[in-house]
Parts: sequence; structure tokens; C-alpha cells
Amino acid sequence: DTGVSQNPRHKITKRGQNVTFRCDPISEHNRLYWYRQTLGQGPEFLTYFQNEAQLEKSRLLSDRFSAERPKGSFSTLEIQRTEQGDSAMYLCASSHPLAAGKYNEQFFGPGTRLTVL
Amino acid sequence: GQSLEQPSEVTAVEGAIVQINCTYQTSGFYGLSWYQQHDGGAPTFLSYNALDGLEETGRFSSFLSRSDSYGYLLLQELQMKDSASYFCAVYSMGVGGSYIPTFGRGTSLIVHP
Repeated sequence: DTGVSQNPRHKITKRGQNVTFRCDPISEHNRLYWYRQTLGQGPEFLTYFQNEAQLEKSRLLSDRFSAERPKGSFSTLEIQRTEQGDSAMYLCASSHPLAAGKYNEQFFGPGTRLTVL
Repeated sequence: GQSLEQPSEVTAVEGAIVQINCTYQTSGFYGLSWYQQHDGGAPTFLSYNALDGLEETGRFSSFLSRSDSYGYLLLQELQMKDSASYFCAVYSMGVGGSYIPTFGRGTSLIVHP
């Protein structure tokens, strides 16, 4: 499978715990996005990487959220001191450098569903 | 900030044509995308418009009018498998100088036999 992969697919945690999610983009894609989606809503942009550089971060994003893409390949999203309001589907997407400005197609992974008890 | 409006639900019968509208307010508009998402699935790309006019891809077409801050997705020859949520997403410049998408709340399309 050469699509975007995300692990784990499901995560249940207790309030106050830290969680980390991983995203492996399509290999030649240098652009990587993280989104959060709740039921009945569209994906909400969280952060954007071009190669290893984090170029954009949502102004609405709490400082409990941090993301990395250390070698410009896979990325991790960490949530510290989780709250019940963090329960959502966390989606990762990647795009090819040639797509930028032309058709901007993003390929989404299956997501990690987080439940905070 | 950005705001997008699209109908929450549209219903149609197999074989029909349906149009899903999207109006937006944003500064620094760059382009508009459409994505399809089936229940339990990931969003999949349908189309992207940066310039005014109609883009056609098979049974799906997308239109953009930048002066009216308006776009639509047109689905022809509807099939049962088209039942899904459809999201418009507007690209605008983020604080870091990159173009990032803001998604609408989605339109649930229900296709009846």
C-alpha cells in the first residue's frame, strides 16, 4: 500500500495523559498536513510542514499540541495533558510538490480516532 | 478570518443531477477545492479551481466565480455510491506565508433509488 498511513488507528486515554500519533506520508510528497475532525464538521487545519520545516500552525491550536517532522519523512503529533474536548479524529494528509498551486490535491490517511475518558 | 457556507443536506434520485453550492468570505483567496468523504472513510480529492470557470472531471464538475466568492460542485448521472459528505475548502494565506485550506462543514448527499 503506497498511500498515507497513520498509527495507531484508535487510541483511548484518560484525561491528563499524553498521546502521540504517527503519520507516514506518500514517499515523494514533501508537504504534510495535520487536521482534526469531529462529527458533523469538516477537517480543521492544525499544522503544515514542507519537508522538515513547520511553516504553519493554527492560531487556535493550544500549546498542548506539538508536531514534528524531523527528517522530512514521517511526522508525529503529540497532545499533552489531554482533555475530553480533544476527542476527535486526527487526520494526516500529504501532497506532491508539483501539485502546489496547480491542483493542490491532498491525499488523506485513514486517521487516528482519539477518545479521552 | 474565513467563513464558508454550504447546505447541510441535499437529497436526489439515481440518475439525476445535483449542485452543491459553497459561498465563502476570506482574505487572500487563492483557490477552492472539493473533497468527498464516505462515512468512516478519509476525504478524497475531487477538484480544484483557482480561476473563474468550470472544471470538468468525468461525472463531476466544479465552478468558481471569484468576484462572487462562490463556487459549486455539480454531480451528474447520480449513483448510489455518490451518497457521501462533500466539503468545499478555501485556500488562503496563513501567517507563515503558505496557503492553507479552511474546510466547510460539509454537505451530506443522500441518493435514493
